[in-house]
Amino acid sequence: TQLLEQSPQFLSIQEGENLTVYCNSSSVFSSLQWYRQEPGEGPVLLVTVVTGGEVKKLKRLTFQFGDARKDSSLHITAAQPGDTGLYLCAGEARLYSSASKIIFGSGTRLSIRP
Amino acid sequence: EADIYQTPRYLVIGTGKKITLECSQTMGHDKMYWYQQDPGMELHLIHYSYGVNSTEKGDLSSESTVSRIRTEHFPLTLESARPSHTSQYLCASRGQGAWQPQHFGDGTRLSIL
Repeated sequence: TQLLEQSPQFLSIQEGENLTVYCNSSSVFSSLQWYRQEPGEGPVLLVTVVTGGEVKKLKRLTFQFGDARKDSSLHITAAQPGDTGLYLCAGEARLYSSASKIIFGSGTRLSIRP
Repeated sequence: EADIYQTPRYLVIGTGKKITLECSQTMGHDKMYWYQQDPGMELHLIHYSYGVNSTEKGDLSSESTVSRIRTEHFPLTLESARPSHTSQYLCASRGQGAWQPQHFGDGTRLSIL
């Protein structure tokens, strides 16, 4: 069974602080996505990483894909209340030939206090 | 911007009723998915489809059924709703090729009294 574990599960910090969310697995993924979901809405894609060691930046958000493509991290600098939400990572695992499966992490619920 | 729509957004209904949750996408995606999610919690895959006339059960057992008669349409049906079916239901689609992300609808919040 392929699992994608996220940590921490919950995080509440003060505005302006930095934070890192982790996504770990024993499986290798051909790509990994990060999504943010706000209450009452569907998840919205933030980034896709595909190359081991890849780093992508989206304003104050920095995403890194592990060298072995088994793990990823999301770092937020100077968190803002607007960053509040549920962050989900999702890995694409190859099954056979051209078939693949998307596996979602358990999510990190982030709350930024003004 | 993704074009995937779910209706209704909210549904409060009594036990025993038959319910159909609608999901439509205009991107021509072959792959479509249904997830069940309790508020703020992880997503559980309940059904997926890789194309017309193709449907499979997901990782989480569900009493719901799905159909895929047209590429753009992937409705989910509960024949007899029960309070245990109360949850948020999210529909997603995905394009062909590697590294394609899933595009999500805004979900249907279902409450069975």
